[in-house]
This record gives sequence, C-alpha cells and structure tokens, in this order.
Amino acid sequence: GQNIDQPTEMTATEGAIVQINCTYQTSGFNGLFWYQQHAGEAPTFLSYNVLDGLEEKGRFSSFLSRSKGYSYLLLKELQMKDSASYLCAVKSGGSYIPTFGRGTSLIVHP
Amino acid sequence: SAVISQKPSRDICQRGTSLTIQCQVDSQVTMMFWYRQQPGQSLTLIATANQGSEATYESGFVIDKFPISRPNLTFSTLTVSNMSPEDSSIYLCSVDQGRSGELFFGEGSRLTVL
Repeated sequence: GQNIDQPTEMTATEGAIVQINCTYQTSGFNGLFWYQQHAGEAPTFLSYNVLDGLEEKGRFSSFLSRSKGYSYLLLKELQMKDSASYLCAVKSGGSYIPTFGRGTSLIVHP
Repeated sequence: SAVISQKPSRDICQRGTSLTIQCQVDSQVTMMFWYRQQPGQSLTLIATANQGSEATYESGFVIDKFPISRPNLTFSTLTVSNMSPEDSSIYLCSVDQGRSGELFFGEGSRLTVL
C-alpha cells in the first residue's frame, strides 16, 4: 500500500511565498502529481515529477526527492485566487492510477 | 486535454433509492475512472471502466453497490444503489489523457442522501 502525508491546512499572505510539503512511503515509485482543487470544483493538474529536482512553471514550482520520499509545491507571489486545496498524488507499483493524499487547504488572506 | 461533462451536477436523494451519474468525454478514451470524494477526504478510486468489459473495482467497492456501464469509448455511467447517508459525497469521472498520464476530471456530481 501507499502512505501519503500532507498538512491539513496552511495560511499565507497575499504576495508571499508558500511551500506545501508531501511525504510518501511506497514501493516502485513511478511519478508524483500535484493538483489544485477550488471549492466545489474538479481537481486540475498542476505538475508532474518523476525525476529528482525542481520543475518550474510560472508562479508554481514542484520539487521531488525520491530517496527521501518527499515533494513540495512552491507557490510564489500568492494571489487570493490561489486559495484552494492542493492534492499530492503518487503513482507506484506499476499502476497507472495515482493514489491521492488528503490534500492541503491553503487560505490566502490580504 | 479532454473535456468531460458529468450530470447531474448535484442531487438530493432519499435513503434506499438509486441514482445514475453520466459521464461524457469529448474524445475516445480506453479507460475511464470513477472516484469518490467524501467531505474533507481525499479522492478514492471506486473502479476503472473499460469499454467492452466489466469494470475493475477497488478494495471496498462492489458491483452490486456501484454498477458501472461503459457502452462506448466516450461514455460511462456510475449508479449508486440503495443509497444511505454514508453515500453522500462528490462522485468524479476522470480520464488519463495528459502527456504525463495526468488525470482530467469532470465537474463532479454532489450527492446528498437524506
């Protein structure tokens, strides 16, 4: 089985930077996804990491360390619209279907 | 990226009844996935639906409770049978059409069982 751990909730200030961590224990790691989910909406894909290192995409970056079973999502220049739940999902064991963490609810305040 | 339409978007149902959720994709896909997201919880995979064969259910989910149809490569239905308040949840349809195998989701169907 898999165990994916994320903080339940985080708060940050508009314009600031926030880092959302995700740790996982799994066998046969095969990729890690980050999704954003606004309240009442479907999750939308943000990033994919399969190799160690940082992937940057505009204001959002995602980092992976496979040896540590660790990833983070970095959000820069926070905007109010970034208030959402951020879901970490891991593929492993030859499965093409990821397992999702519980998500981190990010609240951005002025 | 795939565009996925689900209906109903929300419904309030009586205990003991059944409801069928429809999912339409704008392109042909081999596999469609049905997820459940209970309040404050993660996305949990219910089953994988392949066209022309029976759905594959995850541990804890059975066909009698969640029958699935997959009549063609762009459409699937999930039925929630004999509902109880514990079935109150958001049900999401998804496909993995992304370049990295990422999932695209429908808007979700929010069911409330009284």
